[in-house]
Amino acid sequence: KAGVTQTPRYLIKTRGQQVTLSCSPISGHRSVSWYQQTPGQGLQFLFEYFSETQRNKGNFPGRFSGRQFSNSRSEMNVSTLELGDSALYLCASRWDRTEAFFGQGTRLTVV
Amino acid sequence: GIQVEQSPPDLILQEGANSTLRCNFSDSVNNLQWFHQNPWGQLINLFYIPSGTKQNGRLSATTVATERYSLLYISSSQTTDSGVYFCAVERRGSYIPTFGRGTSLIVHP
Repeated sequence: KAGVTQTPRYLIKTRGQQVTLSCSPISGHRSVSWYQQTPGQGLQFLFEYFSETQRNKGNFPGRFSGRQFSNSRSEMNVSTLELGDSALYLCASRWDRTEAFFGQGTRLTVV
Repeated sequence: GIQVEQSPPDLILQEGANSTLRCNFSDSVNNLQWFHQNPWGQLINLFYIPSGTKQNGRLSATTVATERYSLLYISSSQTTDSGVYFCAVERRGSYIPTFGRGTSLIVHP
């Protein structure tokens, strides 16, 4: 079966803009989580959506938001981009609180 | 929150050598996974191992939950094993995964 699909793979944005990233989970999986990976901070948990509801949230400012649709696809939005938001954004899919499977990531560069 | 420490931070091997990577965590956990991050950034699942021992080819893993550590063994390493290995745990009752800082492995031919 198809794996976790993230789009786009690469993105370049200007400071102050906003960006939307997309994640399509494995078919049948109801949980989608988002992570930010930077060289300085490592892999940090952003939030988790389960059945269209945010179930868990990490310690990120309100500029980072997300949502999940009825087909379990999820989007993540970052508003008013800052240089420090440059990172690899990873999405993970799982059935519930079980083994997580990751997508290939979206590499965001803010200039 | 839970603390996750991986060691060693860096490892350089010759092809064919064996290695052991360690993951220590500071609290009881529901879940533990090992991942290999390839050069393109994708996290590849290696093991889902909250407790016990599992083997998959040249790789095996053991988690001793009562002593709060997990080990990943790589035998007869190959150049394609190069990359960063991450351990991720979920503290019991939390279900929010916390990643270690990873072990960067380089295997020379």
